[in-house]
Amino acid sequence: DAGVTQSPTHLIKTRGQQVTLRCSPKSGHDTVSWYQQALGQGPQFIFQYYEEEERQRGNFPDRFSGHQFPNYSSELNVNALLLGDSALYLCASSLAGLDHEQYFGPGTRLTVT
Amino acid sequence: AQKITQTQPGMFVQEKEAVTLDCTYDTSDQSYGLFWYKQPSSGEMIFLIYQGSYDEQNATEGRYSLNFQKARKSANLVISASQLGDSAMYFCAMSPNYGGSQGNLIFGKGTKLSVKP
Repeated sequence: DAGVTQSPTHLIKTRGQQVTLRCSPKSGHDTVSWYQQALGQGPQFIFQYYEEEERQRGNFPDRFSGHQFPNYSSELNVNALLLGDSALYLCASSLAGLDHEQYFGPGTRLTVT
Repeated sequence: AQKITQTQPGMFVQEKEAVTLDCTYDTSDQSYGLFWYKQPSSGEMIFLIYQGSYDEQNATEGRYSLNFQKARKSANLVISASQLGDSAMYFCAMSPNYGGSQGNLIFGKGTKLSVKP
């Protein structure tokens, strides 16, 4: 039973560029949440996708957008990258109604130079 | 606004001893969920234990137990018989709805636990 997978593992981008991060949920899960974890901090909720729609959003600018595909996988897009976007991006999956069972992926480490 | 406070940036414990990691929370909601996650240096967040606000008994999962004191708004994690592999960052988190619906977990800043041989 495959867990949550994320790609790529590491990424280096230049300020102003755009980036796309990918997440495949755990088998049987239909809900995907994205979190940003800056160095030395706890993760911060970006948004959650369910049935291909953004169901809830945290306090992040519109530069952060996402998508969920019919197979429940998800993408996180960040436009006009800033140095402050450097962080570990975590994806978590769950089954709707059972969100207390959230499983996290290994994360994508994004460095913006 | 909901908030999680972890006041211990770092903790040391001797192998095989028990350790308590502190967590206090702030919410005006009656229904909420409380979580503890472990994050090794690899970065992956590992779910440890969950407590719903209406659960009367403290949650337990193997060597992990959650000391839930609702009136004090605290949700401390107790790890019994510490092992070297327990060395990691530990995060307390809250979901504003019972059962953890909505998915927007609010995390504390974490506590770094180091287990000494």
